[in-house]
Amino acid sequence: DSGVTQTPKHLITATGQRVTLRCSPRSGDLSVYWYQQSLDQGLQFLIQYYNGEERAKGNILERFSAQQFPDLHSELNLSSLELGDSALYFCASGGTSGGAGADTQYFGPGTRLTVL
Amino acid sequence: KNEVEQSPQNLTAQEGEFITINCSYSVGISALHWLQQHPGGGIVSLFMLSSGKKKHGRLIATINIQEKHSSLHITASHPRDSAVYICAVFGSQGNLIFGKGTKLSVKP
Repeated sequence: DSGVTQTPKHLITATGQRVTLRCSPRSGDLSVYWYQQSLDQGLQFLIQYYNGEERAKGNILERFSAQQFPDLHSELNLSSLELGDSALYFCASGGTSGGAGADTQYFGPGTRLTVL
Repeated sequence: KNEVEQSPQNLTAQEGEFITINCSYSVGISALHWLQQHPGGGIVSLFMLSSGKKKHGRLIATINIQEKHSSLHITASHPRDSAVYICAVFGSQGNLIFGKGTKLSVKP
């Protein structure tokens, strides 16, 4: 158990809909990272938050947004969903340095999103 | 060409064999991560390297910054090592760039 929790575990929705994925980091970790893993693209970095502020951005679509709240949990919002958004979404938390390169990352179990 | 290349893509070994997985990258980095993804989907961070060599149990990771290359070695492999091993580099843009992974299967 990494100490990182993600909800829900599974989500099935329709095209055009909007969903919110939630992540709670390990106690004491200030960084939250979001990743997408699809069959054809592999793992892709979406976005990193550190202590409530956006720190780094990867291949995140404009239809997607994220935020980190004062209690350090994070939410990833996916809107106008398309079939191609079906994937595993992982979050990971890291320590106090604020940089993905400097932190060991602890991964949550993932949320499997299916868009029909 | 991908910025992070792993080889081999697939690897089958007999229990007890010494295994090497390679990762080459073409961008400037400040750190490199090795991750393990279990058949059930869970991901575990194995190593984070910026230079030299690290060892944890039967796993050894090395990095050569000048040659832009890293290797992950598994000594005395065991069927429970069967997983996908993923190399990821932390680039200058502050993002992580992933390799496509090496699927390892260790037969008893």
